[in-house]
Amino acid sequence: QVQLVESGGGVVQPGRPLRLSCAASGFTFRSYAMHWVRQAPGKGLEWLAVISYEGSKEYYADSVKGRFTISRDNSKNTLYLQMDSLRVEDTAVYYCARVRVEVSRLDACDLWGQGTMVTVSS
Amino acid sequence: QSALTQPASVSGSPGQSITISCTGTSSDVGGYNYVSWYQQHPGKAPKLMIYGVSNRPSGVSNRFSGSKSGNTASLTISGLQAEDEADYYCSSYTSSSTYVFGTGTKATVL
Repeated sequence: QVQLVESGGGVVQPGRPLRLSCAASGFTFRSYAMHWVRQAPGKGLEWLAVISYEGSKEYYADSVKGRFTISRDNSKNTLYLQMDSLRVEDTAVYYCARVRVEVSRLDACDLWGQGTMVTVSS
Repeated sequence: QSALTQPASVSGSPGQSITISCTGTSSDVGGYNYVSWYQQHPGKAPKLMIYGVSNRPSGVSNRFSGSKSGNTASLTISGLQAEDEADYYCSSYTSSSTYVFGTGTKATVL
């Protein structure tokens, strides 16, 4: 079954780190670029980061650059988002998503996980 | 990286057509044909409806169509149905090698 499953969300204090995981199955994970996208409660979608299929290229939104790191382990079919120095405004549902075509970073996302909730609160 | 501008809401009666606009700049929407549209129902993950400005993924109804003129992209839903009631987001690749979403539009079927 082709799917993405996020995990690692929860409640964390401001300033603390958290790492999210996204487990891929049913497709050749190592051939696809991957994104992280988040959605604060009652708000719209916010793009966060993208990583190339082989992991050599990463790009970030200004809002998380320097605090968040996207990475992947193609041997484990898993995407990660390391979130450091978390802020209250980082509270959101975090989605991982697959780029539609193999190898390319420059296309839409056709497969999304169900999301994992991160709450930053003291 | 300012969000692309979409109307907050649009509405139409069953069977009618609605169009949602998505306005950016020459550094995103106007500069690339990597504009996509997503549908999101409450509590659900986004679903890809249009990619590459005007292409429909397999399985998406042909009632959904996309276009672009200058810095503005548009999503049109024809033959509006109750199940089309959802939030819609546009997205574009940018000159900074990043992506940006639109502000989102709530589509209501009257």
